[in-house]
Amino acid sequence: DIQMTQTPSSMPASLGERVTISCRSSQGIRNYLNWYQQKPDGTIKPLIYYTSNLQSGVPSRFSGSGSGTDYSLSISSLEPEDFAMYYCQQYYSSPWTFGGGTKLELK
Amino acid sequence: EVQLQQSGAELVKPGASVKLSCKTSGYILSNYYMSWLKQMPGQNIEWIGNIYGGNGGTGYNQKFKGKATLTVDKSSSTAYMDLNSLTSEDSAVYFCARLGIAAPYFDYWGQGVMVTVSS
Repeated sequence: DIQMTQTPSSMPASLGERVTISCRSSQGIRNYLNWYQQKPDGTIKPLIYYTSNLQSGVPSRFSGSGSGTDYSLSISSLEPEDFAMYYCQQYYSSPWTFGGGTKLELK
Repeated sequence: EVQLQQSGAELVKPGASVKLSCKTSGYILSNYYMSWLKQMPGQNIEWIGNIYGGNGGTGYNQKFKGKATLTVDKSSSTAYMDLNSLTSEDSAVYFCARLGIAAPYFDYWGQGVMVTVSS
């Protein structure tokens, strides 16, 4: 199975700050990488698919990039609703696997 | 509006089975894959498997073969997941999620259902 490692596991940040979350795969995944947001109430929504494509309705302050084994999610200017858990997920090979998550916390 | 509405929380005894449902609306179930995922408390998300709404064809994570069985009922636009021989390791929140067409990502999610295995 492909292991997905997210760093950091938690990140204190301030409103208006720019943040970047990293995701590294144990082998190359050819950009087959998605990002999701999970709110404290448990609801999950997609943010980015295929490395850098913004899901419809997701604010443009979210962006994704990467290649090979290294990928990242950036939020350009944090809003109150952005404090949540973030997960990366690969679909290059089965079983599809998720990173361990990054908790974005208000500093 | 696409919606995936999951059934309510379950408390089941060890060794028993449970059937979870995911009622869809706002789109044609037959045209999409439905996925199921597991999230244990405070832990990672695991992909269980996919089922195609058109013909019921399935693909499973090897880890969940024999544990989970995915089915669909097109007449009621509902996807189901049976979990058998439950143990404490099966206590988790289970999500259904639609697989997008543009790319294989989970574009709509159910609200999740908590399954607690306890005597």
